[in-house]
Amino acid sequence: TQLLEQSPQFLSIQEGENLTVYCNSSSVFSSLQWYRQEPGEGPVLLVTVVTGGEVKKLKRLTFQFGDARKDSSLHITAAQPGDTGLYLCAGAGGDYGQNFVFGPGTRLSVLP
Amino acid sequence: NAGVTQTPKFQVLKTGQSMTLQCAQDMNHEYMSWYRQDPGMGLRLIHYSVGAGITDQGEVPNGYNVSRSTTEDFPLRLLSAAPSQTSVYFCASNTAGGLGDTQYFGPGTRLTVL
Repeated sequence: TQLLEQSPQFLSIQEGENLTVYCNSSSVFSSLQWYRQEPGEGPVLLVTVVTGGEVKKLKRLTFQFGDARKDSSLHITAAQPGDTGLYLCAGAGGDYGQNFVFGPGTRLSVLP
Repeated sequence: NAGVTQTPKFQVLKTGQSMTLQCAQDMNHEYMSWYRQDPGMGLRLIHYSVGAGITDQGEVPNGYNVSRSTTEDFPLRLLSAAPSQTSVYFCASNTAGGLGDTQYFGPGTRLTVL
């Protein structure tokens, strides 16, 4: 069974601070996705990384896929209250590569 | 496009009752799936379908049934509800196009079993 761990579980920071959250596994994934989920809503895809070592930037968010495709990180620069939410990573697996294994999430709170 | 829609948004059941959670998508996606989300456990796959008439089990299928008679609809049936099935249920869809597919999630159904 493929498992994903995320750290930290909770993070509370002040507006303007930088932060990094991590997603780790002992398994290799063909791709890894990051989602953000707000209360009462479904997760929304932020990015997909496919190649080992790949780095993608989305405004103030930087995503990196580990060289061995077992881990990933999400770095947020100058966090804003609008970044508050649950950040989930998901690794692609299954016979068709379409089943996603989700980590437990990092709950981020950015205080004004 | 409405995307992925789910009904009902909230539901309270008594132990032993049955019900069907509805899910529909209007994006002509081949792939649909059901997840449950519990505190501290992320989303866990219940059942999935790679096309009309084809379904398969995910990580936690016990106590749930699915069918896929059309591309648009993928209902989830609870046969005899148990308190352990109290959770938030999400339906998702995506194209079966390979790596990097975007999964689109519905708004969820919050189910409480007493």
